[in-house]
Amino acid sequence: DAKTTQPNSMESNEEEPVHLPCNHSTISGTDYIHWYRQLPSQGPEYVIHGLTSNVNNRMASLAIAEDRKSSTLILHRATLRDAAVYYCILGRFGNEKLTFGTGTRLTIIP
Amino acid sequence: EAQVTQNPRYLITVTGKKLTVTCSQNMNHEYMSWYRQDPGLGLRQIYYSMNVEVTDKGDVPEGYKVSRKEKRNFPLILESPSPNQTSLYFCASSLSARGGPFYGYTFGSGTRLTVV
Repeated sequence: DAKTTQPNSMESNEEEPVHLPCNHSTISGTDYIHWYRQLPSQGPEYVIHGLTSNVNNRMASLAIAEDRKSSTLILHRATLRDAAVYYCILGRFGNEKLTFGTGTRLTIIP
Repeated sequence: EAQVTQNPRYLITVTGKKLTVTCSQNMNHEYMSWYRQDPGLGLRQIYYSMNVEVTDKGDVPEGYKVSRKEKRNFPLILESPSPNQTSLYFCASSLSARGGPFYGYTFGSGTRLTVV
């Protein structure tokens, strides 16, 4: 399985944008890039996913590099409720398995 | 409300005493899976099920059993729990087994199990 690399932790100020990086240099052509987050004392929740083009939804934006070897999850205006562990995961369409790493722990500073 | 429900939320048990953690989803999802989460190791898949009566091992299946007799339920069974199975367990479901990650997973709130 192709792996992802994320920083262990990041800090950001409240009400500012947050850019969470993810490297996936061994990504294959059929791998989707998924982001999940896990709030304290909760199960992971889906954030966003994409294949090649940048994606936006109500929670976040996903910017995918042209060579697809890296991507960035963008939270446009961080709030204290965005403090969580963020997981970047590769998933192949038609393969149901998601392999979680240890993610990036995001701390929001008031 | 669409959700994955796990019970119990917390459980303390003794070594060797059989236990079952239940998982139920109300979204008519085909795919269901169990994960365990341990500090420094992230989430690791225990078992998964692509549909009724279809189950398969994940990355860490030793010491666990599962069954999928109905589409909505996917219980995790520990026949003889040991202290190394002390962990936080999550059940997850997805709409389609064939395109599981594409549709996104819904996770339960977790079961914290302590085996003494």
